[in-house]
Amino acid sequence: AQSVAQPEDQVNVAEGNPLTVKCTYSVSGNPYLFWYVQYPNRGLQFLLKYITGDNLVKGSYGFEAEFNKSQTSFHLKKPSALVSDSALYFCADQTSGGSYIPTFGRGTSLIVHP
Amino acid sequence: DVKVTQSSRYLVKRTGEKVFLECVQDMDHENMFWYRQDPGLGLRLIYFSYDVKMKEKGDIPEGYSVSREKKERFSLILESASTNQTSMYLCASSLPGGTSRGYTFGSGTRLTVV
Repeated sequence: AQSVAQPEDQVNVAEGNPLTVKCTYSVSGNPYLFWYVQYPNRGLQFLLKYITGDNLVKGSYGFEAEFNKSQTSFHLKKPSALVSDSALYFCADQTSGGSYIPTFGRGTSLIVHP
Repeated sequence: DVKVTQSSRYLVKRTGEKVFLECVQDMDHENMFWYRQDPGLGLRLIYFSYDVKMKEKGDIPEGYSVSREKKERFSLILESASTNQTSMYLCASSLPGGTSRGYTFGSGTRLTVV
């Protein structure tokens, strides 16, 4: 069965510094990988996805993610963090098992300090 | 703007009550889902539906049931609420396959069972 790991419960970064939120996956074959963001008391919002093609995927709000097949990783990145980026971030693997039901990581809380 | 609407943001119910959580989407999506979100556990799938009047169990269906009488509406039912069902409940919808824009989530219902 597919699984997704987010090894950090929390990431702290100063405003203006680059940020990375880590995600690794375990599915064999070609994964369908997503990042979602959740602001306080809100549902999840789609940020970006990797299905196929270029390993560097650009998404909403200046975020990007790099797919690395050899390391089975899909880390979320942003060159310059904003305080407003502070939120909960979820990685998801939506690889087909016939159902495309996503498996979510546990989430990583990103805190950007002024 | 496309939407998934959950009828209540906050709900407080007593142990043993029958609780209905309602979700409506206006995107003509075939797939609808109910998740619960708990700190440190991420999102766990309760039930999902691929079409009207059909339902499939997710990872944690015990204590819950669902109803989908119309394409746009997917209801989660707690037959006899218990304190361990205190949680954030998230509804989501998607097109078949769900890969184009991932899933669209509602804002969530925070349920407290006392």
